[in-house]
Amino acid sequence: AQSVTQLGSHVSVSEGALVLLRCNYSSSVPPYLFWYVQYPNQGLQLLLKYTSAATLVKGINGFEAEFKKSETSFHLTKPSAHMSDAAEYFCAVSEGGGNKLTFGTGTQLKVEL
Amino acid sequence: DAMVIQNPRYQVTQFGKPVTLSCSQTLNHNVMYWYQQKSSQAPKLLFHYYDKDFNNEADTPDNFQSRRPNTSFCFLDIRSPGLGDAAMYLCATSRPAGLAAYSSYEQYFGPGTRLTVT
Repeated sequence: AQSVTQLGSHVSVSEGALVLLRCNYSSSVPPYLFWYVQYPNQGLQLLLKYTSAATLVKGINGFEAEFKKSETSFHLTKPSAHMSDAAEYFCAVSEGGGNKLTFGTGTQLKVEL
Repeated sequence: DAMVIQNPRYQVTQFGKPVTLSCSQTLNHNVMYWYQQKSSQAPKLLFHYYDKDFNNEADTPDNFQSRRPNTSFCFLDIRSPGLGDAAMYLCATSRPAGLAAYSSYEQYFGPGTRLTVT
């Protein structure tokens, strides 16, 4: 069975600082991994995805994530936080070929001046 | 622009009064999903359609039903809403990204319908 763990339900950073949101997964087959962002009262928007190609994945809004099989991790980073990055971020896993996602519990990112 | 549309964005219903939420898509995706998301929680999958094939999650209450009359539309029916059903309901769609057996079913979400039960 697949699962996702997001460490830290709330993360606070200063504007311009590095953003690091942690995600660890468990999957019995090669996983496909996703990061989604959700703004208040909105649906989820895909930031980036890993589908067994390059391990360093670049997404929208300057975010990127690195797939590390040895650590079963897929952490999301952004070099410099912007106020507009304040939102909830969800990591999700799909066991390869599967059409269902398993979501983590989410991390609320706060960006302070 | 191709997209997933949910109507209404906000819905208020009375305890026990049936309510229907709608979702339409212009992406021509073959898979459509309904999620329930409560405050500060991850989305919880209720069911999904792969074309016309309905797939119910084991823990989805019988109070929740769904219809997919054609590729573009999917409906969520709550037969007798309780106070605990107040939530954001998200519709999503997907299709295989490639032709290979292992394809990434990335999902595209609508803006959601926030349901209030009074």
